[in-house]
Amino acid sequence: DVKVTQSSRYLVKRTGEKVFLECVQDMDHENMFWYRQDPGLGLRLIYFSYDVKMKEKGDIPEGYSVSREKKERFSLILESASTNQTSMYLCASRAGGHHDTQYFGPGTRLTVL
Amino acid sequence: DAKTTQPPSMDCAEGRAANLPCNHSTISGNEYVYWYRQIHSQGPQYIIHGLKNNETNEMASLIITEDRKSSTLILPHATLRDTAVYYCIVISQGGKLIFGQGTELSVKP
Repeated sequence: DVKVTQSSRYLVKRTGEKVFLECVQDMDHENMFWYRQDPGLGLRLIYFSYDVKMKEKGDIPEGYSVSREKKERFSLILESASTNQTSMYLCASRAGGHHDTQYFGPGTRLTVL
Repeated sequence: DAKTTQPPSMDCAEGRAANLPCNHSTISGNEYVYWYRQIHSQGPQYIIHGLKNNETNEMASLIITEDRKSSTLILPHATLRDTAVYYCIVISQGGKLIFGQGTELSVKP
């Protein structure tokens, strides 16, 4: 079974803090994704990566950056957390093809005070 | 990207089949239909996907109409643990997932 893990289920940070969200997958997938999910807005794509050290902006990249130094790990960074970044953050991974299945991690619920 | 339409909520009795419909009338020939579900405060869980033919796995069956404009996800024997929001998604050539509002399925004893 594909396994996607995220470093924390719940996280509370203060405004202005730098926040790291880590995601690890164990299926040697090329593609990894970061989404956020908010009530009434569905899932929105923040960034994705199709290879090590490669990244592409999604629909809402502002205020975020990413890092992919190893194939299995994709990190989302909030350089200076703000209250409007309070959300559920979901990581996903997918094998090479566009029609391959995306598998999601359990999510990190981030609260920024 | 093709849009999908699902009823906002459905009830199902425990042990009965749950049939969740989805309309995707603007789907094009190379677009797949995927189903995910999300239990409260957890990440979306992949269920099943298909292109033209009906599909079955250990979790569910997917029935796609011949014109591909709609599909039905069938949970053959719903349990209380199947209570979740079910999302029908059409994936285009770009591979982008667009989750709509989904159907909130409540399985009742």
